Formats: sequence, C-alpha cells, structure tokens
Amino acid sequence: DAMVIQNPRYQVTQFGKPVTLSCSQTLNHNVMYWYQQKSSQAPKLLFHYYDKDFNNEADTPDNFQSRRPNTSFCFLDIRSPGLGDAAMYLCATSRDQSNQPQHFGDGTRLSIL
Amino acid sequence: QKEVEQDPGPLSVPEGAIVSLNCTYSNSAFQYFMWYRQYSRKGPELLMYTYSSGNKEDGRFTAQVDKSSKYISLFIRDSQPSDSATYLCAMSAWAQGAQKLVFGQGTRLTINP
Repeated sequence: DAMVIQNPRYQVTQFGKPVTLSCSQTLNHNVMYWYQQKSSQAPKLLFHYYDKDFNNEADTPDNFQSRRPNTSFCFLDIRSPGLGDAAMYLCATSRDQSNQPQHFGDGTRLSIL
Repeated sequence: QKEVEQDPGPLSVPEGAIVSLNCTYSNSAFQYFMWYRQYSRKGPELLMYTYSSGNKEDGRFTAQVDKSSKYISLFIRDSQPSDSATYLCAMSAWAQGAQKLVFGQGTRLTINP
C-alpha cells in the first residue's frame, strides 16, 4: 500500500565511505525530491528531478549527488559522508511542477561512525 | 528572519481538548499552504492542503489561512492520544521553474489520556 518507499530505513556508514540511499514510487509522479531533516529541524530541500531534469539547490554541498534512472526510482549518493551529514533523508514525489502536494516516504536515518 | 516561523513547543494538552497550532510567514509569494503530521521515525504525512484565505475542514481538523496577516492555523477538535506527533506547516511558491516547499520547524504535540 506504501506509495513512496525508501530503503534502507536505517543506514550506518563510516566517515568518508560512500553511501547510497534509494527511493521508489508507485504513484507515477513526474517529480521526485530529496530532503535532509536533522533532529528537531524542518526538512531542507537538497534537489529535485522533474522527469529527467535535475535541479540542484544553490546551497546543497557538492558531496551530495542524485540519479534517477527511470520514473519510479531515485537515488541519493553521498560521496564522502562527514559527521554533519548524519540526518533523516526524506524522499517525496509530486505529480508535476505545478502546485501539487508532495507525498513523502518514511525516510532513511543515516548515522556516521 | 526565517521565511516561516512556527513555535516548536512542546505542547502538551489533555485528551479531548481543542488544539491550535500556528505559523506565520513573510513571503507574499506563497500561494499554497499545507499541514503535515510526522510521527516519530516516520515521514511527513499530508493532513491539509489549501490555497485560499478562509477555513477548510476535514473531520476533526480545520485549517485556517489569513493571507492579509500572513498567518495560518491548524485546529484539532476532540484531540486523541493518537494525534500525538510533530506538526509541520509548509508553504509553496513558484520559484526557478518549480514548486518549492518551505517548512516551519514543527510543533511537537502530546495528547495526554
């Protein structure tokens, strides 16, 4: 029944070791978003895809990359995680780029050792 | 000054009470207003979505928007322990060719049996 699915739910990685988080959706939405949410803070948009067009937020560090191989899947790659990257990473989708509501997955909680 | 201000709480009320959650904003370009509920270790779940000033009701929940005062509220009637969660207000505006959501910090709500 879940429409936006994130895997894994919990991820532990070592300082500097690349990590990939995944998101899939069954809604056939055109837009997919990645947010970073730190404890007791608002979600912060990292980037989004409209179909295959990638849109990076100006303040998203170069350490964060994304791939969208098809409509259903989107990946977040963190090339060299630092301690400050420990957070909940949320994937969201919306039907298109107009003012449609965004639907979120349950997130991946990333810990850095 | 943040674009969206939300009292982080925590807010604790007895079961059955009416709860009022509020956000103020500074950006007149915001057109769409949302309330999300986020349970611990879960993603935000869309509760209410509106674009005009006035009230919108859905069961025990009422969303209120006052664009002239740049103020939105969420009222919960007959509050239940299952309503205990963090409530995030969010607003969207068209920017750089895409819908951009800006979240409040979230209000942590506890309903005591």
